[in-house]
Amino acid sequence: EVQLLESGGGSVQPGGSLRLSCAASGSTFSSHAMNWVRQGPGKGLEWVSTITGGGDTTYYADSVRGRFTISRDNSKNTLYLQMSGLRAEDTAVYYCARVTAAAGTIVYWGQGTLVTVSS
Amino acid sequence: DIQMTQSPYTLSASVGDRVTITCRASQSISSWLAWYQQKPGKAPNLLIYKASSLQSGVPSRFSGSGSGTEFTLTISSLQPEDFATYYCQQYNSYSYTFGQGTKLEI
Repeated sequence: EVQLLESGGGSVQPGGSLRLSCAASGSTFSSHAMNWVRQGPGKGLEWVSTITGGGDTTYYADSVRGRFTISRDNSKNTLYLQMSGLRAEDTAVYYCARVTAAAGTIVYWGQGTLVTVSS
Repeated sequence: DIQMTQSPYTLSASVGDRVTITCRASQSISSWLAWYQQKPGKAPNLLIYKASSLQSGVPSRFSGSGSGTEFTLTISSLQPEDFATYYCQQYNSYSYTFGQGTKLEI
């Protein structure tokens, strides 16, 4: 069974930085693209970033490009999101999410970690 | 970027009803469309992928159709546990996009 466990959320002031982690278990981590998806309070889902299985290619939403960096350590089965230049509009629950080859899109989700950007 | 537009924004229905939610893409995405169900405080759950393929474990009352730019999610006979928010998502490119969501309420 695939399990994704996010950590690292918390409160930060505008302009600050935070690093989220996602520990994966239950499958061959390096075989699968991984994603971060966020959901602001009372809002819909917003894709944030994707990294391919080998970590060689990354993709970002326009809203975070240049401020957020996605990375992974396949030896530790862990996904990261380094966030800097945080803004109030970045306040959200951040989900780690895994694609499957069969579906071609996100099947597995973590429970989410809350990031609050406020002064 | 590809934009996804869902309708309606909210939908009132009763147990046993047949309901349909529509999702339109701003450009063709072939069949690279998924539907998710989300309940309050929970992560989304995949229902349909590749526009019409039912994810394992999802009840057969859920079905999806469409291709190109117009897609639908149909629930054939609403059950109490189906009252939730539904999102479409395109994955034609790695810049995934979600629709704004449809809240299905009693």
